Amino acid sequence: GAVVSQHPSWVICKSGTSVKIECRSLDFQATTMFWYRQFPKQSLMLMATSNEGSKATYEQGVEKDKFLINHASLTLSTLTVTSAHPEDSSFYICSASGLAGGPLVDTQYFGPGTRLTVL
Amino acid sequence: TQLLEQSPQFLSIQEGENLTVYCNSSSVFSSLQWYRQEPGEGPVLLVTVVTGGEVKKLKRLTFQFGDARKDSSLHITAAQPGDTGLYLCVGTGNQFYFGTGTSLTVIP
Repeated sequence: GAVVSQHPSWVICKSGTSVKIECRSLDFQATTMFWYRQFPKQSLMLMATSNEGSKATYEQGVEKDKFLINHASLTLSTLTVTSAHPEDSSFYICSASGLAGGPLVDTQYFGPGTRLTVL
Repeated sequence: TQLLEQSPQFLSIQEGENLTVYCNSSSVFSSLQWYRQEPGEGPVLLVTVVTGGEVKKLKRLTFQFGDARKDSSLHITAAQPGDTGLYLCVGTGNQFYFGTGTSLTVIP
């Protein structure tokens, strides 16, 4: 149980285009989903926290107009990288934690990641 | 916010050796998770520890939660190339706190 999927697993796009990444909790409902960016051999950098039905909370230094997050349901969150540039190339990972009061609330379950390459 | 310091940051050892990774903080956590991440994949949950002093074993991996629930360790016995990866500790408080990560390479 507690499986999180991401789609696509990798994407290559041209500079200036927008890319949408989906994060789904497959077998549980997630109150909160997190979006991370990761550089090689480094820990995850939290970009934003999103709660279902409300606006995402962005970490300092993360442009909310560039990284649009939508958390429309308890099983789906999306991250859209708008007007992507080569410096946005990275490994993006989402995670989900379960409903408040439930057994999965204190644990994050991670998706497999999305490799974004902007040419 | 990273309140958890992991050490060492990088570790390269020969197959068959033992190793310990430390995860330290000055803050108390209600629980702590250890994850392993392989290149190009997302982190996979290895264990959750909840009680101070708790010890959990997962085959050759031994996890311990400090008595005060501020720190944790991961010990690997007779490391194998398949143990290679990035190890992350994550503490749970009023939010999740990530460790700085330990990149382990086990050389055959």
